[in-house]
Amino acid sequence: DARVTQTPRDKVTEMGQEVTMRCQPILGHNTVFWYRQTMMQGLELLAYFRNRAPLDDSGMPKDRFSAEMPDATLATLKIQPSEPRDSAVYFCASARQEDTEAFFGQGTRLTVV
Amino acid sequence: AQSVAQPEDQVNVAEGNPLTVKCTYSVSGNPYLFWYVQYPNRGLQFLLKYITGDNLVKGSYGFEAEFNKSQTSFHLKKPSALVSDSALYFCAVRTSEDDYKLSFGAGTTVTVRA
Repeated sequence: DARVTQTPRDKVTEMGQEVTMRCQPILGHNTVFWYRQTMMQGLELLAYFRNRAPLDDSGMPKDRFSAEMPDATLATLKIQPSEPRDSAVYFCASARQEDTEAFFGQGTRLTVV
Repeated sequence: AQSVAQPEDQVNVAEGNPLTVKCTYSVSGNPYLFWYVQYPNRGLQFLLKYITGDNLVKGSYGFEAEFNKSQTSFHLKKPSALVSDSALYFCAVRTSEDDYKLSFGAGTTVTVRA
């Protein structure tokens, strides 16, 4: 049963620390999305990749966030330094191609104290 | 740029009654439209999609949606709601104009009372 896998599921960290979230997309999917979900802002698109190339990361605070795909089986989202306002649930999703649905991971719940 | 609107923050229905969750979109080209459902503390689950062909599409758990190009709408429907349908529902769109990024509406909370 193919699925998107995100680690860790939960992360509590202190302000100023680096946070790395990982995502394993479904094998064969060419597009990976990163979203952030909060009560106030809903689902925000942070970045997305096609064939490992970044297409749009305009939704990310550039000074502290970075997203990469070191290979086709791994996508990472890093926050350095983390701030309390970064507390949210971060979702990764992958899609097979341009006209298909995306499948979501279970999310990483980040709490920055 | 593409966008999706879900005009209702909340929808409340009685079990057994029809359920409708509204969605309108704004795009330049042909839209690929999707509905997702999110249960508490879970990721989003895909329900159904419209790519091309029949305007009425059927999906998981008895849900269906009708694509209406003239009204730029893609409303989600279920003839007889269940208490277990209570969740957060998202409409989403992809188009070539925005390089196929997946844009979501704000979400609609559905509560089905017994």
